[in-house]
Amino acid sequence: DTEVTQTPKHLVMGMTNKKSLKCEQHMGHRAMYWYKQKAKKPPELMFVYSYEKLSINESVPSRFSPECPNSSLLNLHLHALQPEDSALYLCASSKAGQGSNEQFFGPGTRLTVL
Amino acid sequence: GESVGLHLPTLSVQEGDNSIINCAYSNSASDYFIWYKQESGKGPQFIIDIRSNMDKRQGQRVTVLLNKTVKHLSLQIAATQPGDSAVYFCAENSGGTSYGKLTFGQGTILTVHP
Repeated sequence: DTEVTQTPKHLVMGMTNKKSLKCEQHMGHRAMYWYKQKAKKPPELMFVYSYEKLSINESVPSRFSPECPNSSLLNLHLHALQPEDSALYLCASSKAGQGSNEQFFGPGTRLTVL
Repeated sequence: GESVGLHLPTLSVQEGDNSIINCAYSNSASDYFIWYKQESGKGPQFIIDIRSNMDKRQGQRVTVLLNKTVKHLSLQIAATQPGDSAVYFCAENSGGTSYGKLTFGQGTILTVHP
């Protein structure tokens, strides 16, 4: 299984809502990532988890809260978002450890904040 | 900060032509480079990667060339097909303390006309 799955595919939420994005992989990868991608722009890294521990936070606002409950799952909890947070949220995974490795991306969750 | 950029934002070719997409990078410490293809509504899909100890790598219909002297990366697609139409991103990783942090270029839109 070489697939990264993400749910939901689309999400519309109000600024006072709390929602969560979910990501799952069964490739045995121990590094997982969240990216944000605005229209016609490249993906921008938000968080990196390595061996289920947060290793990189790219100064992301606290209204985005990542969680890695086990080596296969990655969540992104959303609370009190702003309309400018509307974007495609991509999850990726890769082998962890020394050296750089190919990151496998999921299809993304298209988020709209009203 | 360091950046990865593309010379041409759009490329239009006829089916059967060869395509060349270019990318410049500025971080001399970059040791891993990767090309992704992103179709509309989908996550980035791995095409090919190359490490800094190589200057050329070939895949199926694709070749990546790395010129460390001028910090330039290119993706060559042979016999381009309509299914190759997508946005192509180069990305780099400098390893070390930036382990897991891929920095993407701005992207090139490739359009293949039948």
